[in-house]
Amino acid sequence: GQQLNQSPQSMFIQEGEDVSMNCTSSSIFNTWLWYKQDPGEGPVLLIALYKAGELTSNGRLTAQFGITRKDSFLNISASIPSDVGIYFCAKTSYDKVIFGPGTSLSVIP
Amino acid sequence: GAVVSQHPSWVICKSGTSVKIECRSLDFQATTMFWYRQFPKQSLMLMATSNEGSKATYEQGVEKDKFLINHASLTLSTLTVTSAHPEDSSFYICSARRGLSYGYTFGSGTRLTVV
Repeated sequence: GQQLNQSPQSMFIQEGEDVSMNCTSSSIFNTWLWYKQDPGEGPVLLIALYKAGELTSNGRLTAQFGITRKDSFLNISASIPSDVGIYFCAKTSYDKVIFGPGTSLSVIP
Repeated sequence: GAVVSQHPSWVICKSGTSVKIECRSLDFQATTMFWYRQFPKQSLMLMATSNEGSKATYEQGVEKDKFLINHASLTLSTLTVTSAHPEDSSFYICSARRGLSYGYTFGSGTRLTVV
């Protein structure tokens, strides 16, 4: 199938540290999406990637679309307490958004 | 920007009753709306896709007679959980899209608890 895998499953970091998480797929596809979900809320789009090799930044966030089109990473620099939440990678398939299992991030002040 | 509103944000109902959840696109017309379900500590799982004026397309394993979806206008889709049971307790999230050239906007979710 077209399953997405994310690692790590969860992270506990100190405020100010940089964070890196990644997402892999068993098949290639054309779009990577990174979302953040705060507790009790819907997901919010952070970064969208459309081309292999593309590197895109949004403030302290940086994401890259892997050359093989089967993986992507998301980096967060200088983490702050409000970065706490679940980060999902997602792909579009036949006009649907399919989510990965998520990486839970906890930031210790 | 594109805003999607869900109502109610939370609901508690008795087992056996039906519950309706509304999803509205506030500042755009949504050609397609999507419904997701999320159990605690799990990811969002797509339940169905609805296009205005046509029947919803359900994902494999989702009972269409239990989860009734109506997309009567370009700004409103409703999900009705019929004869709800405790195992239907979950976080239901909708998403809307203006068209193929636009992104997906998610609502803030509805927490359903069936007692």
